[in-house]
Amino acid sequence: EADIYQTPRYLVIGTGKKITLECSQTMGHDKMYWYQQDPGMELHLIHYSYGVNSTEKGDLSSESTVSRIRTEHFPLTLESARPSHTSQYLCASSVGQGGGYTFGSGTRLTVV
Amino acid sequence: GENVEQHPSTLSVQEGDSAVIKCTYSDSASNYFPWYKQELGKRPQLIIDIRSNVGEKKDQRIAVTLNKTAKHFSLHITETQPEDSAVYFCAASRGTYKYIFGTGTRLKVLA
Repeated sequence: EADIYQTPRYLVIGTGKKITLECSQTMGHDKMYWYQQDPGMELHLIHYSYGVNSTEKGDLSSESTVSRIRTEHFPLTLESARPSHTSQYLCASSVGQGGGYTFGSGTRLTVV
Repeated sequence: GENVEQHPSTLSVQEGDSAVIKCTYSDSASNYFPWYKQELGKRPQLIIDIRSNVGEKKDQRIAVTLNKTAKHFSLHITETQPEDSAVYFCAASRGTYKYIFGTGTRLKVLA
């Protein structure tokens, strides 16, 4: 089924560890996004990509990085996790202008 | 900078009553306005959207209205049911492919 998939669903990790959150979509969308959201709260754009080899930082300052080597894959990496990174990370994709987003189920990250 | 204000932040209604959530945007270039519903522990899902060349759109019990002059748009839910309980986010397009989200409205439908 065409959808957007995020792994892991939940992650508890120690301070200082490097982590990569995976996001893949099978809808053929060019545009992909990462949002940070505390549960039920406002969504903050942290990274986006309009296509392969195109990545931009979003509105919320983030110590994470992203890459877009393949259309369907948009992983987010934290080089050194800190407790302040504890949050939910939502990946989304879009077909283009005026198409709305399809969101993944999210990764709930806890840094201890 | 551009922003989207959303009110109220919480809303409780009796089952069967109507619920209205209002948003105001600042970017006059915004031309697409989606609404998302996020149930507890789940992903936001698109429930209805409207483009700037349309003043109103309806889909069963939900409707969205847009006033471009005033830069207001609203979500209307009629005959509310307990399963309508969720957090609702409005959004306005920013540029070609991005959106600015409102701060969310937590709707609780009381049985």
